[in-house]
Amino acid sequence: NAGVMQNPRHLVRRRGQEARLRCSPMKGHSHVYWYRQLPEEGLKFMVYLQKENIIDESGMPKERFSAEFPKEGPSILRIQQVVRGDSAAYFCASSPRTGVGANVLTFGAGSRLTVL
Amino acid sequence: GIQVEQSPPDLILQEGANSTLRCNFSDSVNNLQWFHQNPWGQLINLFYIPSGTKQNGRLSATTVATERYSLLYISSSQTTDSGVYFCAVVGGGGADGLTFGKGTHLIIQP
Repeated sequence: NAGVMQNPRHLVRRRGQEARLRCSPMKGHSHVYWYRQLPEEGLKFMVYLQKENIIDESGMPKERFSAEFPKEGPSILRIQQVVRGDSAAYFCASSPRTGVGANVLTFGAGSRLTVL
Repeated sequence: GIQVEQSPPDLILQEGANSTLRCNFSDSVNNLQWFHQNPWGQLINLFYIPSGTKQNGRLSATTVATERYSLLYISSSQTTDSGVYFCAVVGGGGADGLTFGKGTHLIIQP
């Protein structure tokens, strides 16, 4: 089991460009969560998705940020027109939500976005 | 939303020492996890412990749900234990995302 896979691990963008971060959940997990960690801070919840469904996006900024988890392929966190304040580590987690360990979240290694 | 407070914020110990990290939360929880973020930024899942006691090698954790706190014990510390330890909870109110505390930054000196 390869665990939660995130790519790219590091991404550099100039102000105004778009950033796309990808997350493949653990095998057998159908629920994906995105978190953001600003320097020297804890992780903040952004969005929770199932396949083709956004369940909770209460932590997502209202503008420029979007997330999807299509029927096929990884979950994508998309940031349009990036600004320097978007520089952070973005973590993805997955859980099975049913059965043994239903509520246990397993995190990927994170994607570190730097906006120049 | 639910509040999570961790203490102490920083802890510096010599190799071989024992430590206790505390996590207080403001409401009932149906999920509590302890994580270790190593110096490379990776988040390692230590325990899923909404209640009760668990042990894994030199680490153990206890959650007293009725009193709204959890403790993480590290015995015989090693330099590889350095990093930030986070407590994260899901409130019983139905919110889906983990709420993280600000962490305890642990430095183990050789």
